[in-house]
Amino acid sequence: QVQLVQSGAEVKKPGASVKVSCRTSGYTFTDNGLTWVRQAPGQGLEWMGWISTYRGNTNYAQKFQGRFTMTTDASRSTAYMELRSLRSDDTAVYYCARDKLYTLDHWGQGTQVTVSS
Amino acid sequence: QSALTQPPSASGSPGQSVAISCTGTSSDVGGYDYVSWYQYRPGKAPKLILYEVSKRPSGVPDRFSGSKSGTTASLTVSGLQAEDEADYYCSSYAGTNRVFGGGTKLTVL
Repeated sequence: QVQLVQSGAEVKKPGASVKVSCRTSGYTFTDNGLTWVRQAPGQGLEWMGWISTYRGNTNYAQKFQGRFTMTTDASRSTAYMELRSLRSDDTAVYYCARDKLYTLDHWGQGTQVTVSS
Repeated sequence: QSALTQPPSASGSPGQSVAISCTGTSSDVGGYDYVSWYQYRPGKAPKLILYEVSKRPSGVPDRFSGSKSGTTASLTVSGLQAEDEADYYCSSYAGTNRVFGGGTKLTVL
């Protein structure tokens, strides 16, 4: 079955960077893109960006342009997101999701990222 | 890209039907039939319940249905059950981007 397993919780100081991994299994990694979504405390879901696992091209939400990078390693069927210059309002649960024709049909379990001095 | 507009809350008694709206623009909901809905319970990953406006993934009960008119999409939950209590989010393709609604908390009275 399709599974997306994310790396564990992180605690970072303001200004630092965080990198979260999303290891996939149960399907051909390069057949579908991957999307990253986050949910801050008390807030709704927020789309961060999409990456093609086949070509590596990306679309980023304008809000995160310049400090957010998505990458993939097809040999490991794994995607990564890195968010830099962390602020307290980046505290959130970050999710990866398989993106099948603009539909997020399978999700990772989420990774809590806490930004605190 | 602004978030899609959803009512913050909705409620109904067991057995009743509830509709949740999701309003966007011609650049997202109105421009594409790639509207999806997700059920979200705290501490769990979101679950896809509808895609391409009205299609249900396998395993999702047919009590969940979707529609779209112009720039507004709707999720209807018929025959409400206690287990339907959750947050519901709509999402739409918007060109190169995606956009989510603000979420609706569905309470089963």
